[in-house]
Amino acid sequence: DTAVSQTPKYLVTQMGNDKSIKCEQNLGHDTMYWYKQDSKKFLKIMFSYNNKELIINETVPNRFSPKSPDKAHLNLHINSLELGDSAVYFCASSLRGQRQDTIYFGEGSWLTVV
Amino acid sequence: SQELEQSPQSLIVQEGKNLTINCTSSKTLYGLYWYKQKYGEGLIFLMMLQKGGEEKSHEKITAKLDEKKQQSSLHITASQPSHAGIYLCGASNTGANNLFFGTGTRLTVIP
Repeated sequence: DTAVSQTPKYLVTQMGNDKSIKCEQNLGHDTMYWYKQDSKKFLKIMFSYNNKELIINETVPNRFSPKSPDKAHLNLHINSLELGDSAVYFCASSLRGQRQDTIYFGEGSWLTVV
Repeated sequence: SQELEQSPQSLIVQEGKNLTINCTSSKTLYGLYWYKQKYGEGLIFLMMLQKGGEEKSHEKITAKLDEKKQQSSLHITASQPSHAGIYLCGASNTGANNLFFGTGTRLTVIP
């Protein structure tokens, strides 16, 4: 049973397209995150949601729009994809979003924009 | 902005050898996490350290956080090919659990 699951795992798409990556966690956690890992393997937070409310919104183009229909899901929608959006996107969750909570990551979604 | 420096950036060792990966911050950390990443897989949680001087072990992997809570080391004893991957340290310094990560250490273990 996968704790944090993302779909799709691999996505190749053309510039200008709109795409979504879905994320679901079955851990009963209140907080979910999206992280981006660039080509240099640098991992950086993009968004954080707690009980469906946006908590953290780092400097990310507004083409990226997270949506949380319920606290078990946090989907990432990307409009007008650009070449620089190619990266691995990781979804994650933690119990309450507090400092002492372990963050559990999904397996990642490899996005390639051509 | 907070930064974590990991060293070395890459490491190649012979199977059976011990190795250490370091993670250093210029500021006090309030939570230090170690994750392992293999290609095509997600980030696997290894250990979390919170208290200065804390040390935790899991199987052949030991992680320590120094007293000042600015440096952590990950030590692998008698390395095996299964230890190969990218090791990432992550830390938080705010009330919310917003991790920022180091650039990773790529470990290769030669059989």
